[in-house]
Amino acid sequence: DAGVTQSPTHLIKTRGQQVTLRCSPKSGHDTVSWYQQALGQGPQFIFQYYEEEERQRGNFPDRFSGHQFPNYSSELNVNALLLGDSALYLCASTGTGFTTEAFFGQGTRLTVV
Amino acid sequence: KNEVEQSPQNLTAQEGEFITINCSYSVGISALHWLQQHPGGGIVSLFMLSSGKKKHGRLIATINIQEKHSSLHITASHPRDSAVYICAVIDAGGTSYGKLTFGQGTILTVHP
Repeated sequence: DAGVTQSPTHLIKTRGQQVTLRCSPKSGHDTVSWYQQALGQGPQFIFQYYEEEERQRGNFPDRFSGHQFPNYSSELNVNALLLGDSALYLCASTGTGFTTEAFFGQGTRLTVV
Repeated sequence: KNEVEQSPQNLTAQEGEFITINCSYSVGISALHWLQQHPGGGIVSLFMLSSGKKKHGRLIATINIQEKHSSLHITASHPRDSAVYICAVIDAGGTSYGKLTFGQGTILTVHP
């Protein structure tokens, strides 16, 4: 049973560019949450997708957007990249119910130069 | 003040020592995760608990809901336990939908 998979694992982008990160949830999970982890910090909630809609959102600008597909996989898009967007982006999946255990992907390390 | 506070931020131990990491939170929660993160980034959930105590191998997690406090203990620590340990809570609010709020992490280094 595959866990949560994220792609790519690393990428380097230039300021102003756009990036798309991908996440496939654990089998049986229908909810995907995205988190940003700056170096030396705890992860910060970006948004959560359920039933192909953004169900809730953290304190991130509209440059951060997402999508969830019918197979529950999800994308995180960031437009007009800033140097400060450099971080580890983590995807977590959970099943139905608000207290099911979260499973995390390995993360995507984004570097903006 | 952060909603989730961990202590200590950095912890160095000798192999074999008993280790305790503490987590305090200020909001009502429905559950709490203890997570482990190795260099390279991937996060693994060690425990999810909402009351009492859980044990897995050399790891023990406890939670006191009334005091809004949880601890992670590692018995007979080993260099392979070296990692960042993160406490994360699920807000009890009806609109949290299982969103996690994280502590800043505790960097544990165990020397041989």
